[in-house]
Amino acid sequence: DAGVIQSPRHEVTEMGQEVTLRCKPISGHDYLFWYRQTMMRGLELLIYFNNNVPIDDSGMPEDRFSAKMPNASFSTLKIQPSEPRDSAVYFCASSFGLEPGEQYFGPGTRLTVT
Amino acid sequence: QKEVEQDPGPLSVPEGAIVSLNCTYSNSAFQYFMWYRQYSRKGPELLMYTYSSGNKEDGRFTAQVDKSSKYISLFIRDSQPSDSATYLCAMMIMIKAAGNKLTFGGGTRVLVKP
Repeated sequence: DAGVIQSPRHEVTEMGQEVTLRCKPISGHDYLFWYRQTMMRGLELLIYFNNNVPIDDSGMPEDRFSAKMPNASFSTLKIQPSEPRDSAVYFCASSFGLEPGEQYFGPGTRLTVT
Repeated sequence: QKEVEQDPGPLSVPEGAIVSLNCTYSNSAFQYFMWYRQYSRKGPELLMYTYSSGNKEDGRFTAQVDKSSKYISLFIRDSQPSDSATYLCAMMIMIKAAGNKLTFGGGTRVLVKP
């Protein structure tokens, strides 16, 4: 299996622009997680899905952030409009069921908003 | 105050030394305790996890959990330069409604010098 796939790997955009991050989870996994990692705040859970349905979006910082999972093999995280404080590495992770330690992380998307 | 606290380091040790890492936490409901390793510009990868209090050993790695003190540790014996990475602790409450939502520490950067 190719693991969790994220694209793009790097994104540089100007403040006010829309940014869309993409994730393909491991085939057969029924949970998908979006995280954000910064030096100041560490790794934070933004939102997670179970069987394509959002379960907990309490970590989404504000209305500028939205996430969708239209099918079992694809999810997007969108920021509109983007701001410099959104600069971070965004990770997608997936897992099968509730087994502890079974979350597999993608390589991340490094976002820079200027 | 964060739910999970971890010294950011960096922790620099000579090759062959024992690396000692730890996290403290405030939520007594945490049941599962994980350690992830994250190389620079990569996603976190699971090293090992333990349930409740006790020790667990896997090769050169030993994880300890002391729930009474809300304190967990990871020891790396015979450290190698390839162990240089950031180590993140993570914790989970096993409730179906909560999925396997992880709460991460901020990570400790470790440098093993040849």
